[in-house]
Amino acid sequence: GAGVSQSPSNKVTEKGKDVELRCDPISGHTALYWYRQSLGQGLEFLIYFQGNSAPDKSGLPSDRFSAERTGGSVSTLTIQRTQQEDSAVYLCASSTDRNYGYTFGSGTRLTVV
Amino acid sequence: GQQVMQIPQYQHVQEGEDFTTYCNSSTTLSNIQWYKQRPGGHPVFLIQLVKSGEVKKQKRLTFQFGEAKKNSSLHITATQTTDVGTYFCAGFILTGGGNKLTFGTGTQLKVEL
Repeated sequence: GAGVSQSPSNKVTEKGKDVELRCDPISGHTALYWYRQSLGQGLEFLIYFQGNSAPDKSGLPSDRFSAERTGGSVSTLTIQRTQQEDSAVYLCASSTDRNYGYTFGSGTRLTVV
Repeated sequence: GQQVMQIPQYQHVQEGEDFTTYCNSSTTLSNIQWYKQRPGGHPVFLIQLVKSGEVKKQKRLTFQFGEAKKNSSLHITATQTTDVGTYFCAGFILTGGGNKLTFGTGTQLKVEL
């Protein structure tokens, strides 16, 4: 596609429920990244994919968080048993490689009530 | 841990005044990128600097990469209301940083008429 697409744009969920966030990167971009941004804060790295493999998962906050990427394209970030501290904007970005800038999606705003 | 700090955290200027944000890393960076995030929006890539001491200009914006590749700056001449937003630097940490950008803490710019 022309840009990075994320869905849903907004998600309100009850504490304890599972959520799935989707990212559709720019076609041909082999690198895909998930970041998290809390209100008024910076960007916190979560996970990096190169193709379908995830060589760097160091930013996932707990084992409630997992992500996968299939076909070298779409990625899904899953949060199990959501907690209020999971509330944030989850941003996905893709790039051709590290020597190029990231293209970010518009994000998914997750609110856990 | 590896950190990338920016100062100031906030800056209010009158339209027409100049603005500078400074980015400092605790470790050497292989390159540095700058992003702009408008209020309610997502980060948008502005530029990348790779060489020690490199200076690049984009119209009223001037970007510098320090000689030691640990710091960078963004200077905006004669700010306009369209410059409003948060400016993030981001770098690939040379050792142990993996293949992802580490984002700075950001500088929020407000421009008043």
